[in-house]
Amino acid sequence: EVQFVESGGGLVQPGAFLKLSCVASGFTFSDYWMSWVRQTPGKTMEWIGDIKYDGSYTVYAPSLKNRFTISRDNAKSTLYLQMSNVRSEDTATYYCSRSYYSVRLDYWGQGAMVTVSS
Amino acid sequence: DIQMTHSPSFLSASVGDRVTINCKASQNINKYLNWYQQKLGEAPKLLIYNIDNLQMGIPSRFSGSGSGTDFTLTISSLQPEDVATYFCLQHDSRPFTFGAGTKLELK
Repeated sequence: EVQFVESGGGLVQPGAFLKLSCVASGFTFSDYWMSWVRQTPGKTMEWIGDIKYDGSYTVYAPSLKNRFTISRDNAKSTLYLQMSNVRSEDTATYYCSRSYYSVRLDYWGQGAMVTVSS
Repeated sequence: DIQMTHSPSFLSASVGDRVTINCKASQNINKYLNWYQQKLGEAPKLLIYNIDNLQMGIPSRFSGSGSGTDFTLTISSLQPEDVATYFCLQHDSRPFTFGAGTKLELK
């Protein structure tokens, strides 16, 4: 069974650094591109970016690329999202998802909630 | 960025009704359109990928159609468990973009 477990969320202050993790199981992690997507409290979905199966290439949403970094450790079947200088508008639930060729974002994790507030 | 527009934003229907939800892209997205169902407090679940391909395990009452910029999700006979928000995703070009969703409730 395909599963993702996100962790690392919580309450953080504006300007802080935060690193989310997504541990995958039930499939060969190193065969898949992986994405991060966030959903705001108002339910708006925003694609953050994705990373190639071998970690050699990443693409980001233009509005986020200067503060967010996606990485992966295939030996640990884990995807990461580093968020720097967080802002109140980064308050959201963060999901990881996988893609295989043209079948993109098929399975999603349960999400990690991040609240940015002083 | 490609804009995705849902219609309607809200839909109320009865059990057994045929329900259609539409999504319009601001430019041609070829075949790269997915439909998701999200129930309250849950992660999104893929229903249809690449316009009309039913995801494994999804009931056959769900179907997708369309081309180019206009796409439709159809539920042939609404069931109580279909109460959810439905949204589309274009993955033709990055940044991938989502529609705002259609909230479906029972009448």
